[in-house]
Amino acid sequence: AQSVTQLDSQVPVFEEAPVELRCNYSSSVSVYLFWYVQYPNQGLQLLLKYLSGSTLVKGINGFEAEFNKSQTSFHLRKPSVHISDTAEYFCAVSVTSGGSNYKLTFGKGTLLTVNP
Amino acid sequence: DAGITQSPRHKVTETGTPVTLRCHQTENHRYMYWYRQDPGHGLRLIHYSYGVKDTDKGEVSDGYSVSRSKTEDFLLTLESATSSQTSVYFCAINPGQGPQETQYFGPGTRLLVL
Repeated sequence: AQSVTQLDSQVPVFEEAPVELRCNYSSSVSVYLFWYVQYPNQGLQLLLKYLSGSTLVKGINGFEAEFNKSQTSFHLRKPSVHISDTAEYFCAVSVTSGGSNYKLTFGKGTLLTVNP
Repeated sequence: DAGITQSPRHKVTETGTPVTLRCHQTENHRYMYWYRQDPGHGLRLIHYSYGVKDTDKGEVSDGYSVSRSKTEDFLLTLESATSSQTSVYFCAINPGQGPQETQYFGPGTRLLVL
């Protein structure tokens, strides 16, 4: 089975500051990695995903994430945040093969609050 | 827009009553999922479906059942609602080309069990 740990439940930052949201995963098989964002009172939408190839993945709204296989991490970063980035962010994994029915396993989420 | 709707969007019910939540999609995707979201727990998979009449349990399936008699509809039923089932419920679809595909989520149903 796989698991996802988001190391910070809440991250407060000031506007225009850089931010990193940390995600570690555990799995005995290969996984795909995802970051989803949930704005207040909305459903989840994809920020970015890592499937293969370059370990640095760029997503929407200026976010990027780096896959580190040796550290089993997939941390999300943004060099300069805006008030509108205030949301909850979820890291998730899916198993690459083997009858998983494409299920996702989610972390518990990190609430990013951007203050003026 | 993945064409996913959920109904009702909000519901208040009493302990012991049955509740059915509906997820409807317009794209005829094979894979559909029900999650619940609770503070401090993230999203947890309740049940999922990989085709009409093909369903299976997720990690928090106790107290829930599902049905899928048509491709476009995936129903989640709480046979006898309890206060611990107060939550926000999300439906999602996978377009079905593989685990690398993005899951698309509905807007959610907020359920309060009194």
